[in-house]
Amino acid sequence: DQQVKQNSPSLSVQEGRISILNCDYTNSMFDYFLWYKKYPAEGPTFLISISSIKDKNEDGRFTVFLNKSAKHLSLHIVPSQPGDSAVYFCAASHIQGAQKLVFGQGTRLTINP
Amino acid sequence: DAGITQSPRHKVTETGTPVTLRCHQTENHRYMYWYRQDPGHGLRLIHYSYGVKDTDKGEVSDGYSVSRSKTEDFLLTLESATSSQTSVYFCAISDEGVAGGPGETQYFGPGTRLLVL
Repeated sequence: DQQVKQNSPSLSVQEGRISILNCDYTNSMFDYFLWYKKYPAEGPTFLISISSIKDKNEDGRFTVFLNKSAKHLSLHIVPSQPGDSAVYFCAASHIQGAQKLVFGQGTRLTINP
Repeated sequence: DAGITQSPRHKVTETGTPVTLRCHQTENHRYMYWYRQDPGHGLRLIHYSYGVKDTDKGEVSDGYSVSRSKTEDFLLTLESATSSQTSVYFCAISDEGVAGGPGETQYFGPGTRLLVL
């Protein structure tokens, strides 16, 4: 039972345009959501997060949107840069659950020059 | 970057042999986690620790044990490795958050690639 799903295994975007990565979850107990970026042969790197009390969080080129009623979150990257090419994982946790992260399968983002 | 190292970084072993992976942190964080990453599954939690000698099971704990005798080290042991345990293993740490529970953000080590033949 996949509680966190990233339905797009891959995404290709032109440099300078907007990249939108999507994530859906099924467990209504999740109250904290994170995005991680992963390069080959490296560990995941924390990118941005959002609490369930908010619907938007921005950090530079990265914005995460949370739609609790739809159990959906998205990561917007604008403008996209070649260095953004990586695998992106969304993750969710329940604050009362020892912060055990539940990850999606990942989306491979490729930024084309 | 958080001070997290994992050793070894790569290992090839045979079915039935014991294997121990080490995670070492220099951040003095209370919480430590072991995940495995497999295609189509993302990362899945194996075990976690909320203090020295305090550990608990995660989603995919069968066939694995852990130990934490010092704040800085968290060991993952495969008592008798099987081919299904071929994976990339990541350690993560988090500091204490509000009210003494784990912080919301986990920071990951570089990973250990394990191949069980």
